Amino acid sequence: SAVISQKPSRDICQRGTSLTIQCQVDSQVTMMFWYRQQPGQSLTLIATANQGSEATYESGFVIDKFPISRPNLTFSTLTVSNMSPEDSSIYLCSVVGPLNTEAFFGQGTRLTVV
Amino acid sequence: AQKVTQAQTEISVVEKEDVTLDCVYETRDTTYYLFWYKQPPSGELVFLIRRNSFDEQNEISGRYSWNFQKSTSSFNFTITASQVVDSAVYFCALSEEDSGYSTLTFGKGTMLLVSP
Repeated sequence: SAVISQKPSRDICQRGTSLTIQCQVDSQVTMMFWYRQQPGQSLTLIATANQGSEATYESGFVIDKFPISRPNLTFSTLTVSNMSPEDSSIYLCSVVGPLNTEAFFGQGTRLTVV
Repeated sequence: AQKVTQAQTEISVVEKEDVTLDCVYETRDTTYYLFWYKQPPSGELVFLIRRNSFDEQNEISGRYSWNFQKSTSSFNFTITASQVVDSAVYFCALSEEDSGYSTLTFGKGTMLLVSP
């Protein structure tokens, strides 16, 4: 299994500011994924982060709002830009196992925008 | 239509009761994977089980058991003799070929409250 560390684990931010969430994996992985979980809701995929190329965003998510970096095979960042209270969510980083059939998740970043 | 339906939004039981969490999925793929995750109040997602579409054997792990029935597109999860520590939100999820089996589509989750 993969061990995923996310930072910060939680934050309270002012509207209009930006927050960068870091995701570190203990092994090299081709793809990393970012999910959002709004309060009381399920998880929704934001984007897929590939090393060496631009992230691929799901419908409803755009790069200007959620820029992603993937500088190497063990690390990725997600930035939540120009935040509003609607961005208050848990953001989770995920990777898949070597057989591409098992997904591992970080502990999540609980973001509150005030 | 939702790809993964968890019709039970919240279930409340008393400790030691058995409880079944329902999951119905929808896919056109012949090869797919189904998952259950537990999300305690702390927020992390705890992997419970992965089942591929070709393995319909039921599985038991301690107090947990899973019933996979392709005929009804269901993958239900039963906790026997529930405990307070089982209180969490439980998510059923599906991965399909068009994502390379690398991303998951989640149901809306079932919140399980186990009281002493």
